[in-house]
Amino acid sequence: AQSVTQLGSHVSVSEGALVLLRCNYSSSVPPYLFWYVQYPNQGLQLLLKYTSAATLVKGINGFEAEFKKSETSFHLTKPSAHMSDAAEYFCAVSGTGANSKLTFGKGITLSVRP
Amino acid sequence: DSGVTQTPKHLITATGQRVTLRCSPRSGDLSVYWYQQSLDQGLQFLIQYYNGEERAKGNILERFSAQQFPDLHSELNLSSLELGDSALYFCASSGGSRSNEQFFGPGTRLTVL
Repeated sequence: AQSVTQLGSHVSVSEGALVLLRCNYSSSVPPYLFWYVQYPNQGLQLLLKYTSAATLVKGINGFEAEFKKSETSFHLTKPSAHMSDAAEYFCAVSGTGANSKLTFGKGITLSVRP
Repeated sequence: DSGVTQTPKHLITATGQRVTLRCSPRSGDLSVYWYQQSLDQGLQFLIQYYNGEERAKGNILERFSAQQFPDLHSELNLSSLELGDSALYFCASSGGSRSNEQFFGPGTRLTVL
């Protein structure tokens, strides 16, 4: 079975500071990995995805993530936080075909201090 | 805008009742997924349909059922509702050249009183 672990439920950073949100996955086969963002009272928006191409994946809004097989990690980073980045972030893993459902982590709430 | 639409946006009903949530996938997407988001359980996969056929089942209660119609829209039916069914229900679709990517609708917020 596939799973992801997001440690901690809340991260607070100052505007302009580095954002680092951690995600570790468990999968018996090469996974697809995703980061989604959810703004208050909205649906889920895909930030970026890893599908076994480049290990460093660039997404929208200046976010990027690096797939590290040796560490089973897919941490999300952004060099400089902006107030508009305040939201909930979900890491997710999926397989393919009949196993293409997304399995989500518990989510991390990112707060950005002025 | 993801291209996935869900209706209604909000639904308030009483325990024991039955409701139907509707989802229209992105044009051309054959797969539809349903997810439930609650404070207790987080985001959980319920069920997947592909071109009208059930493809995968997750933590979906027996009181819940779904179907995908020939025009590819999908409905999620929730019956004998309980307080604990109050949640945000998302539909997502995938297919075509980006078949490994799921696009989410805005969700239906269900409140059971």
